[in-house]
This record gives sequence, structure tokens and C-alpha cells, in this order.
Amino acid sequence: SQTIHQWPATLVQPVGSPLSLECTVEGTSNPNLYWYRQAAGRGLQLLFYSVGIGQISSEVPQNLSASRPQDRQFILSSKKLLLSDSSFYLCAWSVPTSGRYDEQFFGPGTRLTVL
Amino acid sequence: AQSVTQLDSHVSVSEGTPVLLRCNYSSSYSPSLFWYVQHPNKGLQLLLKYTSAATLVKGINGFEAEFKKSETSFHLTKPSAHMSDAAEYFCVVSDYSTGNQFYFGTGTSLTVIP
Repeated sequence: SQTIHQWPATLVQPVGSPLSLECTVEGTSNPNLYWYRQAAGRGLQLLFYSVGIGQISSEVPQNLSASRPQDRQFILSSKKLLLSDSSFYLCAWSVPTSGRYDEQFFGPGTRLTVL
Repeated sequence: AQSVTQLDSHVSVSEGTPVLLRCNYSSSYSPSLFWYVQHPNKGLQLLLKYTSAATLVKGINGFEAEFKKSETSFHLTKPSAHMSDAAEYFCVVSDYSTGNQFYFGTGTSLTVIP
């Protein structure tokens, strides 16, 4: 069966420090991968999605970036964190089937607090 | 363009009474529709999905939803609320024209009163 991992679960970082959040998927090949951000009490904001290694689409311009160095690995990064980056970050994957799109499967999330 | 509107940001019900969470969508093609549930500080869990099969979709934990094309709605219901149903619920749409993207509603917070 498929499993999605995110780490760390919680993170407290000072303003201006770098960030690296990692997401890995097991049990599937060539998944579509997604990074979302969810502010407290708000809906989900799509940050990045990837349909393959090295293929990243950005939805929201900001100081975050994403990379996909391996088929089932998706990394969210920042060179310098802002206070406004404090949020709950969710990774998700999906597999397109016969031209229709199956559901997304979500990781447990990372709670990032920037102080 | 695709969009999802969750008509209620907060819903409060008494334990044992029916639950109705409303969702309307806009889609240019035949959509796939989903309901997810999120408990505090957790990831999202799929409750149910509609992908052009039966219009009445049954999901986990006693939830179901009915796809009504004429009303562009996909409301989530449950006959009897349980305390453990208290959570945030998201309606999501995807279709061919969105490529690999899914569009989320802003969420409905469900409170269950004992």
C-alpha cells in the first residue's frame, strides 16, 4: 500500500533562517506531488506541484521554492524565512488514471513557526 | 474556470442529529468531486469521492454525498452526528481542464454539541 511521509512534524525557526521540509511517498511510481500551505483556520493554498523529476510548477510567487530530486521525493525550501511563513504545510500525491484524476492523498503535515 | 463554494464556514449540530454540509461547484467539464475531513493539526483524510459513477456516493464513517448536476451541488450528509465528527471539512473539485490541480473550498468547521 501507499504511504506518504513528512518531516519534521513540527519546526520552530528564527526569521531569516533557511528551511527544508521533506516529503516522500512509498508504494507508487511517478506520482504527481503537491505542496500546500494552510494558515490557521483557513483553507488550503497550493504552493507547488510536480508531474515528474525536476518538473516544478509554482502557483504563488514568494520566497519559497520546491525541488524533486527523485521520483518520490519532494522538498520545500526557503533561503530566508519570514514571519508570514508560519503555517501548516501539507504534502500530497495523486496518480492520474485513464485521463481522469483520482484523489489526492495527504501527509500528516508540518507545523512551522517562525519567530 | 473551476471553483468550489462551501456555503457555510461553521455548522453546529447536536449529537445524534443530522449533518448537512453544503458545497457548490463550477466546472467546465465532467468534474471529479471529493470531500475531505481534517482533524486539528492533522493531514486531510478522504471521506468520499464522485467520479461519474453513481450520483449518490457513500463514504466512510456513515457520510454520503449526492452529485446533482442540475444544481451543481455536492452536499455532504450524515444521518446522525457523533462527537468524533467534529472537524474541518473540505469540498474539492478537479477535472480535465485543471490538469493536475485540485481546487479546494474554504472549509466548513463542524461542531457537535453533546
